[in-house]
Amino acid sequence: DAKTTQPTSMDCAEGRAANLPCNHSTISGNEYVYWYRQIHSQGPQYIIHGLKNNETNEMASLIITEDRKSSTLILPHATLRDTAVYYCIVRPDRGSTLGRLYFGRGTQLTVWP
Amino acid sequence: GAVVSQHPSRVICKSGTSVKIECRSLDFQATTMFWYRQFPKQSLMLMATSNEGSKATYEQGVEKDKFLINHASLTLSTLTVTSAHPEDSSFYICSARDRTTSGNTIYFGEGSWLTVV
Repeated sequence: DAKTTQPTSMDCAEGRAANLPCNHSTISGNEYVYWYRQIHSQGPQYIIHGLKNNETNEMASLIITEDRKSSTLILPHATLRDTAVYYCIVRPDRGSTLGRLYFGRGTQLTVWP
Repeated sequence: GAVVSQHPSRVICKSGTSVKIECRSLDFQATTMFWYRQFPKQSLMLMATSNEGSKATYEQGVEKDKFLINHASLTLSTLTVTSAHPEDSSFYICSARDRTTSGNTIYFGEGSWLTVV
């Protein structure tokens, strides 16, 4: 079962920042927070991941709260091509379940012109 | 970044026949790959874990004789849907774990659309 809670849908104007929240209140100490997105009829695309510290790459920033019970994915300047379903997933970095990802319903982000 | 490739991207087969889908990790070795299926407007559902050199591990409710998985090398896993029926029509997606990255990043293939007629 997915261990995360995300809003079903969000809208964002093109050029503005898109902030996608995720709750993972039962996250364990060795579990990472991963974000993927899926554009219609394609496989999920890796965006970013983090454990405790905030992370940034060329696609997005990931802000993880100090207690690690929630996080926010930030797309700094959303474009129409960022319209997709965004999945927040928690998973361990070791152990028998390593790599087995359980997807929730994710957040449908729609970027408007 | 790492790339995982699937082939074919789309396939149509007749009911009762078998169809094979390939999943390759292109620039890293993957001792473990994973297979998912996704029905329209639904989320991805994990089907099985493919282990190089050993038997696959199937999730509860997934028929291992129906969905044959072979992990022949460190860069290739195959999923064979045997005796396919129209209800097997779905989007099949594989993923592979890159152990060289922090947190063992998982990358997904482009997906394969299967239509059984």
